[in-house]
Amino acid sequence: TQLLKQSPQFLSIQEGENLTVYCNSSSVFSSLQWYRQEPGEGPVLLVTVVTGGEVKKLKRLTFQFGDARKDSSLHITAAQPGDTGLYLCASMNRDDKIIFGKGTRLHILP
Amino acid sequence: NAGVTQTPKFQVLKTGQSMTLQCAQDMNHNSMYWYRQDPGMGLRLIYYSASEGTTDKGEVPNGYNVSRLNKREFSLRLESAAPSQTSVYFCASSEFRQDWGMGQPQHFGDGTRLSIL
Repeated sequence: TQLLKQSPQFLSIQEGENLTVYCNSSSVFSSLQWYRQEPGEGPVLLVTVVTGGEVKKLKRLTFQFGDARKDSSLHITAAQPGDTGLYLCASMNRDDKIIFGKGTRLHILP
Repeated sequence: NAGVTQTPKFQVLKTGQSMTLQCAQDMNHNSMYWYRQDPGMGLRLIYYSASEGTTDKGEVPNGYNVSRLNKREFSLRLESAAPSQTSVYFCASSEFRQDWGMGQPQHFGDGTRLSIL
């Protein structure tokens, strides 16, 4: 069974600092999506990565897909309180079912 | 645009009671999904409907049934609620499930918080 492991589980940093969170699997991803979820709301898609080695930028967020397509990272530059939330990665397993990681809960302190 | 609307937002049930969670989308999407989210467990797929008239089991289907009433609506039913089904339930939709990996997003509702006593 393919699992998506996200790390760290929790992260609390000061405003202005940089951070990186990770999503890893023992199996090759067909593609991977990153979502952000704020309290009381559903997840919202940030990006999809498809090609090994791909890098996508969304303002201060940089998403990278590993060359072997077994890992992905999300780097935030100069974190702001508005970045606070639960970051989830998602992929499709061999049974063609969409699976999510358990998430990284990020808290940016002002 | 309302997007994905879930009702009710909150519900408390007693063990053994039945309940239907409603979901409707106004984006003319073909595919719809039901997830549950538990602390420390992330989102887990319960059932999905790739297109109107079809439904398929997800990762955790036991204890649930679904109905794709029409293209807009996808309901989730708990026939005999159990405390283990206490969770936050999310409905989502996307244009075509088979295009998921090519960047097509799922659009989520704001969830139904369900407690089973």
